[in-house]
Amino acid sequence: GQQLNQSPQSMFIQEGEDVSMNCTSSSIFNTWLWYKQDPGEGPVLLIALYKAGELTSNGRLTAQFGITRKDSFLNISASIPSDVGIYFCAGQKGGSNYKLTFGKGTLLTVNP
Amino acid sequence: EAGVTQSPTHLIKTRGQQVTLRCSPISGHTSVYWYQQALGLGLQFLLWYDEGEERNRGNFPPRFSGRQFPNYSSELNVNALELEDSALYLCASSLTLGGYNSPLHFGNGTRLTVT
Repeated sequence: GQQLNQSPQSMFIQEGEDVSMNCTSSSIFNTWLWYKQDPGEGPVLLIALYKAGELTSNGRLTAQFGITRKDSFLNISASIPSDVGIYFCAGQKGGSNYKLTFGKGTLLTVNP
Repeated sequence: EAGVTQSPTHLIKTRGQQVTLRCSPISGHTSVYWYQQALGLGLQFLLWYDEGEERNRGNFPPRFSGRQFPNYSSELNVNALELEDSALYLCASSLTLGGYNSPLHFGNGTRLTVT
Protein backbone atom coordinates (compact mmCIF):
# COMPACT_ATOMS: atom_id res chain seq x y z
CA GLY A 1 0.00 0.00 0.00
CA GLN A 2 0.88 3.63 -0.20
CA GLN A 3 3.13 5.03 2.50
CA LEU A 4 3.40 8.54 3.77
CA ASN A 5 6.55 9.39 5.66
CA GLN A 6 5.80 12.15 8.13
CA SER A 7 8.60 13.80 10.05
CA PRO A 8 9.57 14.52 12.65
CA GLN A 9 7.70 12.01 14.81
CA SER A 10 7.78 14.44 17.72
CA MET A 11 8.96 17.94 18.54
CA PHE A 12 9.49 19.75 21.80
CA ILE A 13 9.79 23.52 21.38
CA GLN A 14 9.61 26.74 23.35
CA GLU A 15 6.64 29.08 23.06
CA GLY A 16 7.27 31.64 20.34
CA GLU A 17 9.41 29.38 18.17
CA ASP A 18 8.51 28.48 14.60
CA VAL A 19 7.81 24.87 13.69
CA SER A 20 8.12 22.95 10.45
CA MET A 21 6.98 19.43 9.65
CA ASN A 22 6.65 17.56 6.37
CA CYS A 23 5.31 14.55 4.58
CA THR A 24 6.87 12.72 1.67
CA SER A 25 5.66 9.87 -0.49
CA SER A 26 6.83 7.75 -3.38
CA SER A 27 3.38 8.25 -4.93
CA ILE A 28 1.78 11.30 -6.52
CA PHE A 29 -1.25 12.77 -4.77
CA ASN A 30 -3.92 15.11 -6.12
CA THR A 31 -4.77 16.61 -2.74
CA TRP A 32 -2.82 17.16 0.47
CA LEU A 33 -4.58 17.75 3.77
CA TRP A 34 -3.28 18.72 7.19
CA TYR A 35 -5.20 17.84 10.35
CA LYS A 36 -4.60 18.52 14.05
CA GLN A 37 -5.78 16.21 16.80
CA ASP A 38 -6.07 17.44 20.38
CA PRO A 39 -6.05 14.89 23.21
CA GLY A 40 -9.41 13.12 23.51
CA GLU A 41 -10.78 14.64 20.33
CA GLY A 42 -11.00 13.81 16.66
CA PRO A 43 -8.74 15.33 13.98
CA VAL A 44 -9.69 18.80 12.81
CA LEU A 45 -8.96 19.95 9.25
CA LEU A 46 -6.43 22.79 9.21
CA ILE A 47 -5.54 23.28 5.56
CA ALA A 48 -6.46 21.62 2.25
CA LEU A 49 -4.18 21.89 -0.80
CA TYR A 50 -5.41 21.04 -4.28
CA LYS A 51 -2.75 22.19 -6.73
CA ALA A 52 0.97 21.49 -7.10
CA GLY A 53 2.95 24.44 -5.84
CA GLU A 54 -0.01 25.86 -3.93
CA LEU A 55 0.89 27.78 -0.77
CA THR A 56 -1.99 28.34 1.65
CA SER A 57 -2.16 30.07 5.03
CA ASN A 58 -4.60 29.75 7.90
CA GLY A 59 -3.61 32.26 10.58
CA ARG A 60 -0.17 31.30 11.85
CA LEU A 61 -0.20 28.10 9.79
CA THR A 62 1.19 27.84 6.28
CA ALA A 63 1.21 24.72 4.14
CA GLN A 64 2.54 23.99 0.67
CA PHE A 65 1.76 21.34 -1.93
CA GLY A 66 5.10 20.22 -3.36
CA ILE A 67 5.82 20.77 -7.05
CA THR A 68 6.48 17.05 -7.57
CA ARG A 69 3.07 16.29 -5.91
CA LYS A 70 4.89 13.82 -3.69
CA ASP A 71 5.37 16.02 -0.65
CA SER A 72 3.91 18.74 1.52
CA PHE A 73 5.03 20.77 4.49
CA LEU A 74 3.30 22.60 7.32
CA ASN A 75 4.83 25.57 9.13
CA ILE A 76 3.55 27.07 12.36
CA SER A 77 4.89 30.50 13.24
CA ALA A 78 5.23 31.94 16.74
CA SER A 79 3.96 28.82 18.49
CA ILE A 80 1.68 29.09 21.51
CA PRO A 81 0.76 26.47 24.15
CA SER A 82 -2.56 25.62 22.48
CA ASP A 83 -0.64 24.42 19.39
CA VAL A 84 0.09 21.26 21.37
CA GLY A 85 -1.31 18.17 19.70
CA ILE A 86 -0.72 15.64 16.97
CA TYR A 87 -0.50 16.93 13.41
CA PHE A 88 -1.39 14.54 10.58
CA CYS A 89 -0.80 14.92 6.90
CA ALA A 90 -3.00 13.05 4.44
CA GLY A 91 -2.65 12.51 0.73
CA GLN A 92 -5.57 11.79 -1.56
CA LYS A 93 -5.57 10.22 -5.00
CA GLY A 94 -8.41 11.10 -7.33
CA GLY A 95 -11.43 12.51 -5.55
CA SER A 96 -12.20 9.64 -3.22
CA ASN A 97 -11.70 9.87 0.52
CA TYR A 98 -11.42 6.12 0.90
CA LYS A 99 -8.16 6.46 -0.98
CA LEU A 100 -6.91 8.93 1.63
CA THR A 101 -3.59 7.91 3.15
CA PHE A 102 -2.60 9.35 6.52
CA GLY A 103 0.86 9.92 7.90
CA LYS A 104 1.61 8.61 11.38
CA GLY A 105 1.56 12.09 12.86
CA THR A 106 3.90 14.61 14.47
CA LEU A 107 3.46 15.10 18.20
CA LEU A 108 4.09 18.74 19.06
CA THR A 109 4.78 19.87 22.60
CA VAL A 110 5.12 23.57 23.35
CA ASN A 111 6.84 24.63 26.53
CA PRO A 112 5.37 27.90 27.91
CA GLU B 1 -23.87 23.94 12.51
CA ALA B 2 -23.44 20.74 14.50
CA GLY B 3 -20.37 18.69 13.70
CA VAL B 4 -20.05 14.93 13.44
CA THR B 5 -21.37 13.36 16.63
CA GLN B 6 -20.48 9.92 17.95
CA SER B 7 -21.79 7.81 20.78
CA PRO B 8 -20.90 6.50 23.22
CA THR B 9 -17.71 8.38 24.05
CA HIS B 10 -16.22 5.50 26.01
CA LEU B 11 -16.95 1.79 26.16
CA ILE B 12 -15.46 -1.16 28.00
CA LYS B 13 -16.19 -4.64 26.71
CA THR B 14 -14.97 -8.15 27.34
CA ARG B 15 -13.23 -10.28 24.75
CA GLY B 16 -15.78 -12.17 22.64
CA GLN B 17 -18.56 -9.63 23.12
CA GLN B 18 -20.14 -7.52 20.42
CA VAL B 19 -20.29 -3.73 20.23
CA THR B 20 -22.22 -1.13 18.23
CA LEU B 21 -20.93 2.38 17.74
CA ARG B 22 -23.04 5.21 16.35
CA CYS B 23 -22.36 8.26 14.23
CA SER B 24 -24.38 11.21 12.96
CA PRO B 25 -22.79 13.12 10.08
CA ILE B 26 -22.81 16.84 9.49
CA SER B 27 -26.16 17.90 8.07
CA GLY B 28 -26.10 17.61 4.30
CA HIS B 29 -23.19 15.14 4.21
CA THR B 30 -24.12 11.85 2.59
CA SER B 31 -20.85 9.97 3.03
CA VAL B 32 -19.75 8.43 6.31
CA TYR B 33 -16.34 6.88 6.95
CA TRP B 34 -15.09 4.82 9.87
CA TYR B 35 -11.47 4.76 10.98
CA GLN B 36 -9.64 2.86 13.68
CA GLN B 37 -6.91 4.72 15.55
CA ALA B 38 -4.94 2.28 17.63
CA LEU B 39 -1.98 3.43 19.68
CA GLY B 40 1.07 3.90 17.49
CA LEU B 41 -0.68 2.82 14.28
CA GLY B 42 -2.18 6.05 12.98
CA LEU B 43 -5.57 6.19 11.30
CA GLN B 44 -6.60 3.00 9.53
CA PHE B 45 -9.54 3.14 7.09
CA LEU B 46 -12.34 0.73 7.99
CA LEU B 47 -15.49 1.43 5.96
CA TRP B 48 -17.11 3.96 3.66
CA TYR B 49 -20.87 4.38 3.29
CA ASP B 50 -22.61 6.64 0.83
CA GLU B 51 -26.33 6.93 0.14
CA GLY B 52 -27.01 3.89 2.29
CA GLU B 53 -24.57 1.60 0.49
CA GLU B 54 -21.20 0.24 1.54
CA ARG B 55 -18.82 1.66 -1.07
CA ASN B 56 -15.49 0.37 0.15
CA ARG B 57 -13.85 -1.32 3.08
CA GLY B 58 -10.32 -1.39 4.38
CA ASN B 59 -8.18 -4.37 5.26
CA PHE B 60 -10.21 -5.55 8.26
CA PRO B 61 -11.89 -8.91 8.93
CA PRO B 62 -15.62 -9.42 8.26
CA ARG B 63 -16.46 -9.16 11.96
CA PHE B 64 -16.17 -5.42 11.39
CA SER B 65 -19.36 -4.36 9.66
CA GLY B 66 -21.81 -1.51 9.61
CA ARG B 67 -24.66 0.18 7.89
CA GLN B 68 -25.96 3.59 6.94
CA PHE B 69 -29.54 4.65 7.56
CA PRO B 70 -31.81 6.76 5.32
CA ASN B 71 -30.99 9.83 7.44
CA TYR B 72 -27.28 9.17 6.67
CA SER B 73 -26.40 8.26 10.24
CA SER B 74 -24.31 5.13 10.59
CA GLU B 75 -23.48 2.26 12.90
CA LEU B 76 -20.26 0.31 13.19
CA ASN B 77 -20.59 -3.21 14.56
CA VAL B 78 -17.71 -5.29 15.80
CA ASN B 79 -18.37 -8.94 16.64
CA ALA B 80 -16.26 -11.38 18.64
CA LEU B 81 -14.16 -8.62 20.15
CA GLU B 82 -10.44 -9.22 20.51
CA LEU B 83 -7.98 -7.43 22.77
CA GLU B 84 -6.32 -5.75 19.79
CA ASP B 85 -9.64 -4.11 18.87
CA SER B 86 -8.99 -1.65 21.70
CA ALA B 87 -8.70 1.70 19.96
CA LEU B 88 -10.31 5.04 19.26
CA TYR B 89 -12.96 4.59 16.56
CA LEU B 90 -13.44 7.74 14.54
CA CYS B 91 -16.32 8.57 12.29
CA ALA B 92 -16.00 11.20 9.58
CA SER B 93 -18.39 12.64 7.03
CA SER B 94 -18.08 14.43 3.73
CA LEU B 95 -20.05 15.56 0.73
CA THR B 96 -19.95 13.42 -2.38
CA LEU B 97 -20.67 15.28 -5.60
CA GLY B 98 -20.08 13.84 -9.04
CA GLY B 99 -17.65 11.26 -7.70
CA TYR B 100 -15.62 13.85 -5.81
CA ASN B 101 -15.44 13.78 -2.00
CA SER B 102 -15.01 16.98 0.01
CA PRO B 103 -12.45 16.82 2.85
CA LEU B 104 -13.30 14.67 5.84
CA HIS B 105 -14.71 16.16 9.01
CA PHE B 106 -14.20 13.93 12.04
CA GLY B 107 -16.15 13.33 15.21
CA ASN B 108 -14.45 13.00 18.59
CA GLY B 109 -14.51 9.23 18.49
CA THR B 110 -15.52 6.34 20.69
CA ARG B 111 -12.78 4.98 22.93
CA LEU B 112 -13.23 1.18 23.03
CA THR B 113 -11.36 -0.86 25.60
CA VAL B 114 -11.50 -4.65 25.35
CA THR B 115 -10.46 -6.58 28.45
